[in-house]
Amino acid sequence: DVVMTQSPLSLPVTLGQPAAISCRSSQSLVYSDGNTYLIWFQQRPGQSPRRLIYEVSKRDSGVPDRFTGSGSGTDFTLKITRVEAEDVGVYYCMQGTHWPYSFGQGTKLEMK
Amino acid sequence: EVQLVESGGGLVKPGGSLRLSCAAAGFNFNNVWMDWVRQAPGKGLEWVGRIKRKTDGGTTDYAAPVKGRFTISRDDPKNTLYLQMNSLKPEDTAVYYCATGPFDYWGQGTLVSVSS
Repeated sequence: DVVMTQSPLSLPVTLGQPAAISCRSSQSLVYSDGNTYLIWFQQRPGQSPRRLIYEVSKRDSGVPDRFTGSGSGTDFTLKITRVEAEDVGVYYCMQGTHWPYSFGQGTKLEMK
Repeated sequence: EVQLVESGGGLVKPGGSLRLSCAAAGFNFNNVWMDWVRQAPGKGLEWVGRIKRKTDGGTTDYAAPVKGRFTISRDDPKNTLYLQMNSLKPEDTAVYYCATGPFDYWGQGTLVSVSS
């Protein structure tokens, strides 16, 4: 099974400052069709997960452009250019290339 | 507007059974693969299983911890997804979410507690 490893697991940030979360997979996430099925989710306190980014870098409708996904192969990053108060929550990466799907452990973003 | 509404959660004893439902609206349910994901209290997300759309065979896949105990099914005319859970264990305690195949839409979740 593919293991997804996120870092850091806790991310204290100052309002308006940038933030970055790393996600590494134990195998390449490039599928046979050439696509890379790496997804980023945000889970705000008390809410269901929300998809932010799919196929590494495609931003979902309504997601602020301060969120950017990048990477390839086994190394991926979610960046927030300027953190806002509403960004507090837990962020998960997930791979949908290999069965069974698997999630990272989650990164808790909180305000300093 | 896309809506996914789970129901059927509750308290059950170890070894017991429970069936969760996920009512879908606002999209062509029969044209979408559907997934179940769970989250134990205070823990991360865990993929449970999926069911493909009928035109892709309607087959199911399960994560190892639930394989042989859980069964996913769908009733396309009723726009409803199901998760039949048998031989429940305390470690199955979690909020269970249904989600569309690309994980672009999620329900609000339903809590399943397995305890004596």
